[in-house]
Amino acid sequence: DGGITQSPKYLFRKEGQNVTLSCEQNLNHDAMYWYRQDPGQGLRLIYYSQIVNDFQKGDIAEGYSVSREKKESFPLTVTSAQKNPTAFYLCASSIADSNEQFFGPGTRLTVL
Amino acid sequence: GENVEQHPSTLSVQEGDSAVIKCTYSDSASNYFPWYKQELGKGPQLIIDIRSNVGEKKDQRIAVTLNKTAKHFSLHITETQPEDSAVYFCAASLMDSNYQLIWGAGTKLIIKP
Repeated sequence: DGGITQSPKYLFRKEGQNVTLSCEQNLNHDAMYWYRQDPGQGLRLIYYSQIVNDFQKGDIAEGYSVSREKKESFPLTVTSAQKNPTAFYLCASSIADSNEQFFGPGTRLTVL
Repeated sequence: GENVEQHPSTLSVQEGDSAVIKCTYSDSASNYFPWYKQELGKGPQLIIDIRSNVGEKKDQRIAVTLNKTAKHFSLHITETQPEDSAVYFCAASLMDSNYQLIWGAGTKLIIKP
């Protein structure tokens, strides 16, 4: 089965702790994206990567970090510098030079 | 930069009736306009898209129309069914090499039995 997996589905962390969200795809897509979704709002881009070992900041990158060491993996770390980290996080991927994005099931992060 | 506005934020229709969701965009250079459906607790799924070289596209009960002059595009769902209940997002793509999508705020569609 080809697709995008995100784990875990639900994540709880204490304030001040860093946490890493996993995103894996076996679609052989070149580009990968991380979005944040808050209730009643659209998707906001955190980071994106068009090729291995390269990534760019999106609109709300402050307090987040990513890596792209492998084509199929694009983990997102939510650091303690992120002021309001509780949200639903979505990972997506696309083939090179394409607008069509495929999404994973999301991870709901709650910071207590 | 590009800005996408989506209306209404909530839409309630009787089962079997039609539903229409509208989006406007600001950047006349945008050329790709997808619509995504998001069910509760899941990631968005592409349901239909349109490129700026066509004015309308249909797929069974779903259609999208594009008015480039007015810079707006709409999603039409006919003969609505309970499984159409979800949040729908429109988006527009920037005309640069990054192919980023700029998203509307979403419309919660409620189908009343």
